[in-house]
Order: sequence, then C-alpha cells, then structure tokens
Amino acid sequence: QSALTQPPSASGSPGQSVTISCTGTSSDVGGYNYVSWYQQHPGKAPKLMIYEVSKRPSGVPDRFSGSKSGNTASLTVSGLQAEDEADYYCSSYAGSNNFAYVFGTGTKVTVL
Amino acid sequence: QVQLQQSGPGLVKPSQTLSLTCAISGDSVSSNSAAWNWIRQSPSRGLEWLGRTYYRSKWYNDYAVSVKSRITINPDTSKNQFSLQLNSVTPEDTAVYYCARHGGDLRFDPWGQGTLVTVSS
Repeated sequence: QSALTQPPSASGSPGQSVTISCTGTSSDVGGYNYVSWYQQHPGKAPKLMIYEVSKRPSGVPDRFSGSKSGNTASLTVSGLQAEDEADYYCSSYAGSNNFAYVFGTGTKVTVL
Repeated sequence: QVQLQQSGPGLVKPSQTLSLTCAISGDSVSSNSAAWNWIRQSPSRGLEWLGRTYYRSKWYNDYAVSVKSRITINPDTSKNQFSLQLNSVTPEDTAVYYCARHGGDLRFDPWGQGTLVTVSS
C-alpha cells in the first residue's frame, strides 16, 4: 500500500481556519469509513484527534472536524490557536484480503 | 484509562534482532475487543504500521507486507504485555517505534511513548 497524500504544509493566523486534505484510493480512504487524524508535536507520540472520518474522542476540542468525499478526506481546524501548531497525519484502513493500515505523508501546520 | 509503556534497547547492530516490549495498564492483552499494534516512524518512510496481535477466542496476528518475513509480535499474558521482534535489521530499520491499541473502530489510541531504535555497528 502507498502512503496517503497530504500537502507538506498549511498555515493560518490565530482565529482563522485551516483545512488539510488526505488523498488516497478506492482501496483505502474511498472504500472505508475508517479514516483517522493524528496530531503530533515535536518529540511526542501522535495523538488521536478524529476517528471514523468525523468522530471526535472525548477531550478533543470541537474546533477540530473531519469529513470525506470520494477518495479524499479532510481535517479542518477552526479558530486556530498557537497550540495547534504541529504535524498532522491522516490514516485509513486499507485491507481487503488482509488487514492493512496506511498513514498519510504528514502536514506541518503553522500558526502565523 | 489505558496506558502503554515501552521498553527495549535503543541500539541494534546490523543483521541482529530488534526487540521491544509494550506493557499494558488499564486493559488486558487478552481483551476480546482490542488489538495491539506496532508502528514505526522515520524521516524516509514516515509513519508505517508494522503489525498487530489480538485475541478472539484464540490468538491472531497480522503483519505488513513490507516486513512480513522478518517480524513477530507476541502477547505475554502473564505480564500483560506484548512484544515486537524484527529480524535481520539494516540501517533502514532505524526509526522511532511505537506501540498502540485499537478497538473495533480502528482508531490508534493510546500510543506508547516511543522508542528510538538506531541500527548501527
């Protein structure tokens, strides 16, 4: 399986919104609703922000939202805050005959 | 609250075996609703799912095609932990290795703290 494609970078000013895309194929993103998004600060483990395309775990601010259309998933961060500056990775189930899981290439979000 | 604590050496020689352990608290490695995974991250390969072990009346494993011939993930019910063994390592296996749990919704949560493993002589 190939990695999902994300833009290398995205940015916005505090209070603005930023949307990150995650493009796969019909064998992963387009084929299943098991798309998740992870936030990673430098030197830290990834943290779950969104699962099953648009669900938020408890404790994650509602400024974070997810969606999917066809083979592309998106993460939107509204009302950007300084602490949102981090790397973001999408992921998707990619199995058919065998269990497989694929991650995105990662997007660095900068709060200007 | 589930927590995962990783342990293992940070330096492995080429051609040898990389071994890491992930201790579980707040859940059971034998849970019928969870799976226990290893994931690695490197600048060249990004985040890469390596494999998982899980119990559904018996033990199962799934492995990524890229490492299938070299990887073993084993549960240890007596210590409530699971392990990763990766054989015949090369410098390309240098990465931060993470353990992580997923449930039926396939979300990786939580993650271990990560272990940087360097393959070098």
